Amino acid sequence: EPEVTQTPSHQVTQMGQEVILRCVPISNHLYFYWYRQILGQKVEFLVSFYNNEISEKSEIFDDQFSVERPDGSNFTLKIRSTKLEDSAMYFCASSEGLAGGRETQYFGPGTRLLVL
Amino acid sequence: KNEVEQSPQNLTAQEGEFITINCSYSVGISALHWLQQHPGGGIVSLFMLSSGKKKHGRLIATINIQEKHSSLHITASHPRDSAVYICAVRSSSNYQLIWGAGTKLIIKP
Repeated sequence: EPEVTQTPSHQVTQMGQEVILRCVPISNHLYFYWYRQILGQKVEFLVSFYNNEISEKSEIFDDQFSVERPDGSNFTLKIRSTKLEDSAMYFCASSEGLAGGRETQYFGPGTRLLVL
Repeated sequence: KNEVEQSPQNLTAQEGEFITINCSYSVGISALHWLQQHPGGGIVSLFMLSSGKKKHGRLIATINIQEKHSSLHITASHPRDSAVYICAVRSSSNYQLIWGAGTKLIIKP
């Protein structure tokens, strides 16, 4: 069964460093998402991406964040200068569409980011 | 005020019991999702509802759009059902998912 994959599973970085989190969505899906979950808190929407551009973003997704689909398979989240409060689990998801039964999102296993 | 409220926050039950988890929301929605988060953190979509009722195995999800309320039921619960169950709604004004805080379910053998 097709699945969303994410790499790395864990990343430890120093404050101020740049990190790139990678995701490979399901191949026929057109909509891609990033979410984060700070330990012990609820999942929060970061950004959605369609047709090579951001379609929605939350207040969390400030100038320190960027997303990219550098090739036909990868979808990346970059944090330019990490802060301690960026420590969280980051989930990538993808869906076929936004309506008509195609909006179910499939989630990757997450990348646990720890900023020291 | 949270836009998506779940109850209870925590639920411990014996194997075989019928489980109900509730979700209320305060915004206009185009769909409601029930998801399961395993202890390791992985998230799995269980249901996506815009009306009525859906059933998958021992899981049943219902939604009442007028009352802005949804329930997730588990029949004949089993220890492997132990997980966090999360309700998330898709706002009708944008396509963002607004997540509830989750209900931590423990089923004891």
